[in-house]
Amino acid sequence: DQQVKQNSPSLSVQEGRISILNCDYTNSMFDYFLWYKKYPAEGPTFLISISSIKDKNEDGRFTVFLNKSAKHLSLHIVPSQPGDSAVYFCAAVTSNTGKLIFGQGTTLQVKP
Amino acid sequence: EAGVVQSPRYKIIEKKQPVAFWCNPISGHNTLYWYLQNLGQGPELLIRYENEEAVDDSQLPKDRFSAERLKGVDSTLKIQPAELGDSAVYLCASSLRDSPGELFFGEGSRLTVL
Repeated sequence: DQQVKQNSPSLSVQEGRISILNCDYTNSMFDYFLWYKKYPAEGPTFLISISSIKDKNEDGRFTVFLNKSAKHLSLHIVPSQPGDSAVYFCAAVTSNTGKLIFGQGTTLQVKP
Repeated sequence: EAGVVQSPRYKIIEKKQPVAFWCNPISGHNTLYWYLQNLGQGPELLIRYENEEAVDDSQLPKDRFSAERLKGVDSTLKIQPAELGDSAVYLCASSLRDSPGELFFGEGSRLTVL
C-alpha cells in the first residue's frame, strides 16, 4: 500500500519558469509533510515542510501548498534554475509515531 | 558541523557473502534511521533507533539483516548472507526528536551483489 504517491516520474521546465511537483497521500493521520531534494550520488536533503494545520508555507523560491480535503500537496519553484535539477521526494509523517514515508520521487530537469 | 558519515560508499560482493555498513550520525542527534533505496524508488525505512533502542524494526528482514547501535551513537547494519535482490543504496539518517520528519541523510552506501 503506497501511502505517499508521486505520479509523475519526471518533469522538464525552462529556466525562469515555474516548476510544479505534485504528491498525493492516503493516510489522514499524517500531520507533517516534507519535500526532500536529491542530487546523484548524494543523500536526500530536506527542503521545506508544512504542518497539517496550514495550507501554505513559503521559503524563498519554494512554496508548498497543502489541500487536506483532496489529500494533495504540491511544491512550486519560482523561478526555476538549472541548479534545481534533481530528484524531489515528497514525504509524510505522523509525529506521534515518527515514521517518515516517502513517495517514489519526481526527476526535475530545468533547461537553460 | 560534520554531517552524517557512512562507510563504505561502495561495496561489491558475491551472493551469500556477508556485508556490513557503518554510520556515524550528527553529534547530539538521538534518533538514527537506516533506509533502503532501490533504483527509481523512494527511501524505505528498515529500522529506527531512539538512542540505543530500536523503536521500529517492522520492515527489517530479520532472517538476514541485523542492526545495532551500541552506546546510542554509531550504528552498524549487517546483511548475512547477501542475496541478489539486496543490491541497493543503504542510507543512514539522524534527527532531533523535536523536528518531525526533518532527517539529515548521509551519502549512502551502494551495494552490488553479483
